[in-house]
Amino acid sequence: GAGVSQSPRYKVAKRGQDVALRCDPISGHVSLFWYQQALGQGPEFLTYFQNEAQLDKSGLPSDRFFAERPEGSVSTLKIQRTQQEDSAVYLCASSSTGRRAEAFFGQGTRLTVV
Amino acid sequence: DAKTTQPNSMESNEEEPVHLPCNHSTISGTDYIHWYRQLPSQGPEYVIHGLTSNVNNRMASLAIAEDRKSSTLILHRATLRDAAVYYCILRDLNQGGKLIFGQGTELSVKP
Repeated sequence: GAGVSQSPRYKVAKRGQDVALRCDPISGHVSLFWYQQALGQGPEFLTYFQNEAQLDKSGLPSDRFFAERPEGSVSTLKIQRTQQEDSAVYLCASSSTGRRAEAFFGQGTRLTVV
Repeated sequence: DAKTTQPNSMESNEEEPVHLPCNHSTISGTDYIHWYRQLPSQGPEYVIHGLTSNVNNRMASLAIAEDRKSSTLILHRATLRDAAVYYCILRDLNQGGKLIFGQGTELSVKP
């Protein structure tokens, strides 16, 4: 498809389990962003890649959260030893460079930690 | 990160215009004003953006105050499908262009 694709759409994890969330950005998009959205809240910035370089990870809430984009296209957000407060929708967005570039968001992965 | 202030919620009647306000008094010269909206169970969707001049596209219009400290998103004829949370965001492409979302305005449209 032409849009940003995220998988899985839904993930249920037991507390303490590791999870990996995948994002396929729009082909050719240089910039890739991850966001966390709790119920009833706006999306919170987690991290940003420009090609394979992770230029900003200021929003990652703890060292249990790790993101990578090794070849500058697909990205994976990994959460180790999941906790209940990690339950949220995780959104990925991509955009091209340039001052007018709009960001395109995927539908998100809903993570529920039980 | 520059912040925006929006009303928590607004109501509109179908087929009437809607004006969604946003205050951004700490805007810097390199910040673009972006609007996104999020329908239930969807990721945010781009609506419009501008720098200094008013902008129009097929979805909406954006009116930017002369001092750039506030802006208004205008939906010319609201439809039921426009019911969503609307986010006003300042985007500084000099800092990677990350979007910093606030709480947004939840727009409800009555038939």
